[in-house]
Amino acid sequence: EAQVTQNPRYLITVTGKKLTVTCSQNMNHEYMSWYRQDPGLGLRQIYYSMNVEVTDKGDVPEGYKVSRKEKRNFPLILESPSPNQTSLYFCASGGDREKLFFGSGTQLSVL
Amino acid sequence: GNSVTQMEGPVTLSEEAFLTINCTYTATGYPSLFWYVQYPGEGLQLLLKATKADDKGSNKGFEATYRKETTSFHLEKGSVQVSDSAVYFCALSPFSGGYNKLIFGAGTRLAVHP
Repeated sequence: EAQVTQNPRYLITVTGKKLTVTCSQNMNHEYMSWYRQDPGLGLRQIYYSMNVEVTDKGDVPEGYKVSRKEKRNFPLILESPSPNQTSLYFCASGGDREKLFFGSGTQLSVL
Repeated sequence: GNSVTQMEGPVTLSEEAFLTINCTYTATGYPSLFWYVQYPGEGLQLLLKATKADDKGSNKGFEATYRKETTSFHLEKGSVQVSDSAVYFCALSPFSGGYNKLIFGAGTRLAVHP
């Protein structure tokens, strides 16, 4: 089954404690992206990657890092999380240029 | 710059009612336009799309027409079902044929009651 898998589904952490949210896709897509969803703001792009070892900033990259060492994986790293990074995060991948496949989301709470 | 504006929700309807969710956009050039749907506890799924002016996207009884003169892409369905309850996002891709910078609206929650 074609899917984008994110882990964990829920995460509660404290300010400053490094964390990684994993994302994996099994569709051999070149394009992958991370979004955060906040009430009233829709989805905003954090980072995206056009292919292995190629990443670029989206609209809200501050406080986040990503890496793309393999085609299927695109982890999101928060080196020093802060409360304003409490949000619902989505990973997405795309093969067809105009259709994105989304993971089920990671609800992050930073205390 | 590029932006998408959707009507605020929630929208509450009875089953079999007619649905319209308004979406207008601002973009330079010739964007592609999309509607994505998010069911409870799930990620977004592409519902329909249109890539040029006057195109009509359709899927699962939903329709939207790309209106360049009014910069709009309103979502419609003739008869909603309880199973259509979800959050609907209008989005644009500034470069026709590309999705690098998909820009989403704030989302509109739809609740359909029996």
